Amino acid sequence: GAVVSQHPSRVICKSGTSVKIECRSLDFQATTMFWYRQFPKQSLMLMATSNEGSKATYEQGVEKDKFLINHASLTLSTLTVTSAHPEDSSFYICSAPSRGNEQFFGPGTRLTVL
Amino acid sequence: DAKTTQPPSMDCAEGRAANLPCNHSTISGNEYVYWYRQIHSQGPQYIIHGLKNNETNEMASLIITEDRKSSTLILPHATLRDTAVYYCIVRVAGGFKTIFGAGTRLFVKA
Repeated sequence: GAVVSQHPSRVICKSGTSVKIECRSLDFQATTMFWYRQFPKQSLMLMATSNEGSKATYEQGVEKDKFLINHASLTLSTLTVTSAHPEDSSFYICSAPSRGNEQFFGPGTRLTVL
Repeated sequence: DAKTTQPPSMDCAEGRAANLPCNHSTISGNEYVYWYRQIHSQGPQYIIHGLKNNETNEMASLIITEDRKSSTLILPHATLRDTAVYYCIVRVAGGFKTIFGAGTRLFVKA
């Protein structure tokens, strides 16, 4: 089946630094990818829709200048958390729709900001 | 997309069938019912989806009521590895923006 990968799987950074998370569709092309954030014991919250060749669409309440999204190619989207702070510590998950009616999720990236 | 309601948690004995209900009373005619599950610290995994007919695959069965206002996901022989949070989602075909509710936390016990 279709596979979506994320890199890194875990990252620890100091407060004030920026962190980039990559999401790749490994065996299919995706003109759209989605980014989610999940806090402990909570459900996934959709942050934004990443669009190849155009600007990302952000959900209400998500700061687009803080969470920069770049859909560089048909198989790669990146999420950059700028000037990260401890409250940005979370589990970040991406997803991509393949042909057909399925959406495949990455394994997630756990970000810890000290 | 329509909203879904699921019980917050359920228990199931290992080897028995796990029946997870979902209410989606405001579902539209062109919306599908999808089920995903999330094992701790992993990304969600697709399980099954359907429009109005019952569906079965190697993982589970999906039973959708005739009025489509509710559905049940059935894991026929639950194992300890099926312990996870199960999410029921309704979504139009091709509308891949997926909004997650709280889901049902299934505990499979030995």
